[in-house]
Amino acid sequence: AQKVTQAQTEISVVEKEDVTLDCVYETRDTTYYLFWYKQPPSGELVFLIRRNSFDEQNEISGRYSWNFQKSTSSFNFTITASQVVDSAVYFCALRSASGGYNKLIFGAGTRLAVHP
Amino acid sequence: EPEVTQTPSHQVTQMGQEVILRCVPISNHLYFYWYRQILGQKVEFLVSFYNNEISEKSEIFDDQFSVERPDGSNFTLKIRSTKLEDSAMYFCASRDETQYFGPGTRLLVL
Repeated sequence: AQKVTQAQTEISVVEKEDVTLDCVYETRDTTYYLFWYKQPPSGELVFLIRRNSFDEQNEISGRYSWNFQKSTSSFNFTITASQVVDSAVYFCALRSASGGYNKLIFGAGTRLAVHP
Repeated sequence: EPEVTQTPSHQVTQMGQEVILRCVPISNHLYFYWYRQILGQKVEFLVSFYNNEISEKSEIFDDQFSVERPDGSNFTLKIRSTKLEDSAMYFCASRDETQYFGPGTRLLVL
């Protein structure tokens, strides 16, 4: 079975703090994709990153960085120097690369509140 | 930049009524999906659609639900007889390597 766990329900930080959102996944597939989506208060789901299972390189995009570790089945997301606009719910998701099982399995989400 | 669009953005209906939620996926995508999110909860898969047929559906997607791609651009979700517990945000998505989501339709069943 596939599963995504985001143990942090809510995180509250003050602007300019760094914050890491944790994501742990379970899958029996050898090839899979991991994703992060942002859901701002307006409600839409905004794609942030896709990572495939055979690429463990960490990625940085501006203030965002992602740490993928297959050994611990984790795909953590760090926001550096957080801003109020980062306030949102963040979802980690998993998708098998095997044909037919291409739905996204979402974690429960982490609500991030960044205060001025 | 191409995007998934959904109409309506909000819909209020009476229990037992039929609703049709509409989506226009990104034009060169081949896989289409519906997900739902009950307020404050996780995003749940409903159904995937490929090559004009359902490729997978969840246990939520019972006989009250149906999907259709009536023409080359639209992708619809029909709920035949709505229940109170169908109140949720419904997201359409289409994908190449990544699933891109529409802005959602917020459905309220009274």
